[in-house]
Amino acid sequence: EADIYQTPRYLVIGTGKKITLECSQTMGHDKMYWYQQDPGMELHLIHYSYGVNSTEKGDLSSESTVSRIRTEHFPLTLESARPSHTSQYLCASSEDSRNYGYTFGSGTRLTVV
Amino acid sequence: AQSVTQLGSHVSVSEGALVLLRCNYSSSVPPYLFWYVQYPNQGLQLLLKYTSAATLVKGINGFEAEFKKSETSFHLTKPSAHMSDAAEYFCAVSGPGGYNKLIFGAGTRLAVHP
Repeated sequence: EADIYQTPRYLVIGTGKKITLECSQTMGHDKMYWYQQDPGMELHLIHYSYGVNSTEKGDLSSESTVSRIRTEHFPLTLESARPSHTSQYLCASSEDSRNYGYTFGSGTRLTVV
Repeated sequence: AQSVTQLGSHVSVSEGALVLLRCNYSSSVPPYLFWYVQYPNQGLQLLLKYTSAATLVKGINGFEAEFKKSETSFHLTKPSAHMSDAAEYFCAVSGPGGYNKLIFGAGTRLAVHP
């Protein structure tokens, strides 16, 4: 059973729209991450957070932004969606990644038309 | 710097055959290593992890992996493939800087045919 939830699972939206992808976890983990994954491709870290009011950009440049106002919630926002943003977005959390790794959500598959 | 290389982006086996997915790592500190599985349109699920205890690690669904420091490898194996094993598999190593990030390989897609 998932303790980290992503909504929506699938989203098709028009160019120029503002969207927010939701990610929530019930495990009390301090560390949360957003990855972008194109079909059949590797994972790219785009944002991470080590706790409330802490956010950092990842290895892959992204036009998205994130916030961390509550421990359990780590939403990702695109102010103006473009077709190049079409991808799968995976959220993960961890208390101690070295010893336990990450727990992943089921992902949001975004299509911008 | 930590890195992971997965040899073979696609592996195809017959049902009942041995599964071998290769992972080599580079790490400046003793590595903590992980294997994840991803089914279509799903997130990643932890299969097993090596955290400096036993070098042979058993995971879920009959998978296991052996840590070999001399070869800097952490290959994933399963004696007998099932159709349900068809998925994408990712190897990961714990990164530097307070152990807070995992560094993932590019993934290996496993196909199982009858």
